[in-house]
Amino acid sequence: RKEVEQDPGPFNVPEGATVAFNCTYSNSASQSFFWYRQDCRKEPKLLMSVYSSGNEDGRFTAQLNRASQYISLLIRDSKLSDSATYLCVNGGATNKLIFGTGTLLAVQP
Amino acid sequence: NAGVTQTPKFQVLKTGQSMTLQCAQDMNHEYMSWYRQDPGMGLRLIHYSVGAGITDQGEVPNGYNVSRSTTEDFPLRLLSAAPSQTSVYFCASSYSVRLNTEAFFGQGTRLTVV
Repeated sequence: RKEVEQDPGPFNVPEGATVAFNCTYSNSASQSFFWYRQDCRKEPKLLMSVYSSGNEDGRFTAQLNRASQYISLLIRDSKLSDSATYLCVNGGATNKLIFGTGTLLAVQP
Repeated sequence: NAGVTQTPKFQVLKTGQSMTLQCAQDMNHEYMSWYRQDPGMGLRLIHYSVGAGITDQGEVPNGYNVSRSTTEDFPLRLLSAAPSQTSVYFCASSYSVRLNTEAFFGQGTRLTVV
């Protein structure tokens, strides 16, 4: 079983839609969780950290469920510019930052 | 502020050649790492370092060496290139070895081994 698992997609959604991604992790000792965004042929960049109490940044909401060992990302009012690959990441338990394979989002006009 | 600088951006090697991918950061980060990214595989950790003089293996270390003689630099050496090492390579750095802070990535090196 991979340490971090994501649905690769693609998720094809119209502009204005709400879309949610889930990610499961296997290491219950993981300390930190993040969502990164990667545009085509570019480097990954931090979208947001994920806190135990859940957190929101504009149209983006991230949540952590330690009991079920998953994190989620909700994007409201999708924009064309949200089209990218979203990477689930956890780290801190073993000095290694572990990435999921990513979920591809394509927002259609 | 340059952040994480990787060179070269593109490289073609012949099977059996060796080369070094350079990575430098100017943020005084403790933690540095190398990943490779292949279609459908995501980013896989090759080697990482929690500080100068300290390196350790990641998920896919075979065929690669690293060293960390300074805080700023973390070069990745391919000892004898193989077609299976064709990939996009990313170097990353983080302020804290506890990995609870943002990781900054270089722009990547696209390597083709023929």
